[in-house]
Amino acid sequence: DQQVKQNSPSLSVQEGRISILNCDYTNSMFDYFLWYKKYPAEGPTFLISISSIKDKNEDGRFTVFLNKSAKHLSLHIVPSQPGDSAVYFCAASDRDSNYQLIWGAGTKLIIKP
Amino acid sequence: NAGVTQTPKFRILKIGQSMTLQCTQDMNHNYMYWYRQDPGMGLKLIYYSVGAGITDKGEVPNGYNVSRSTTEDFPLRLELAAPSQTSVYFCASRKGARDNSPLHFGNGTRLTVT
Repeated sequence: DQQVKQNSPSLSVQEGRISILNCDYTNSMFDYFLWYKKYPAEGPTFLISISSIKDKNEDGRFTVFLNKSAKHLSLHIVPSQPGDSAVYFCAASDRDSNYQLIWGAGTKLIIKP
Repeated sequence: NAGVTQTPKFRILKIGQSMTLQCTQDMNHNYMYWYRQDPGMGLKLIYYSVGAGITDKGEVPNGYNVSRSTTEDFPLRLELAAPSQTSVYFCASRKGARDNSPLHFGNGTRLTVT
């Protein structure tokens, strides 16, 4: 059973527009959520995170929104740039599992010029 | 700082062969992890370590072994390679777990078993 789901394998967005990547989870014990970005032939790199006590966290062009009642989080990128083309992974952790991260399958974001 | 370094980048193994994937980090992180990523899937945790001399199984440990004799190094051993172990392997480290500090990843080892 997938505890963290990214239902869109890919997303194509025009440069300058908003990119919205979605992530759903099933475990209500998750208390911390992270987004990582991955370029081909490289390891994932940390992008932004959010604690379950918040519903929004912003860092420059990147904003993560958390809706606990819906068990849903989203990553907004505004404005989208060509360098944002990558695979984005959502991950979640909880103290009961020793803070191990559970990962979604990733969404490939393509920014069109 | 080099961060997390993995070697080799690519490897092709025959069924039944063995090999060690190397991972070293220069950030003095206590926590280290080995993940595998299969096509269209998220990262799956193989083994992890919370410090030198301490290792524990993750979600998919069968067919693998690890050791952690120093803070810097966390090698992953495949004893009898099987086609099901064809995957991309990532090593990662982080400062702590309770503080939810982010993971730092190496660039991966692409392994093919034929």
